[in-house]
Amino acid sequence: DVKVTQSSRYLVKRTGEKVFLECVQDMDHENMFWYRQDPGLGLRLIYFSYDVKMKEKGDIPEGYSVSREKKERFSLILESASTNQTSMYLCASSSQRGLGGGYTFGSGTRLTVV
Amino acid sequence: TQLLEQSPQFLSIQEGENLTVYCNSSSVFSSLQWYRQEPGEGPVLLVTVVTGGEVKKLKRLTFQFGDARKDSSLHITAAQPGDTGLYLCAGANNDMRFGAGTRLTVKP
Repeated sequence: DVKVTQSSRYLVKRTGEKVFLECVQDMDHENMFWYRQDPGLGLRLIYFSYDVKMKEKGDIPEGYSVSREKKERFSLILESASTNQTSMYLCASSSQRGLGGGYTFGSGTRLTVV
Repeated sequence: TQLLEQSPQFLSIQEGENLTVYCNSSSVFSSLQWYRQEPGEGPVLLVTVVTGGEVKKLKRLTFQFGDARKDSSLHITAAQPGDTGLYLCAGANNDMRFGAGTRLTVKP
């Protein structure tokens, strides 16, 4: 059963901490994505990557960075966590860009910053 | 402002009823996808529509892509409690943009 695995389902961090959210996929997909999901706002794209060591900013990259050292792993980093980064974070992967390329999502990490 | 507007935001119906939810945009998309998300889980892909006017059926779910490839609808016949969830549409060009979703509750 193919899957996208996010390392933590729930995290509580303090303001100012550096936070790492890990995502691993076992489908040999080229493309990986990080979204955050907030009520009434839907999924907003933070960063994405179409290849190893490649990264592109999405719609809301401020306060975040990413790392893709290996094809199967895409990490989201909150450099200095703030309370407005409390959210559900979803990682996804796909094998095709744009047309017809369905996303496989992880189960999400619910992050609370206190 | 959402690139993709979904309506209604919330829908609560009785088991056995029919329903339609909508996904509208001013942008043209190469393809459009529908996902369902259950509490505590990530979205799961239901269908991809590519051609303007295309209709796809998945058991009791019927998906339609608008002729101009700017909008889509999802119709559920004889809804069941297992259909409860958040239904998301996503439009694809070079990347994917999601609507905020319709939260459907089907009561037994």
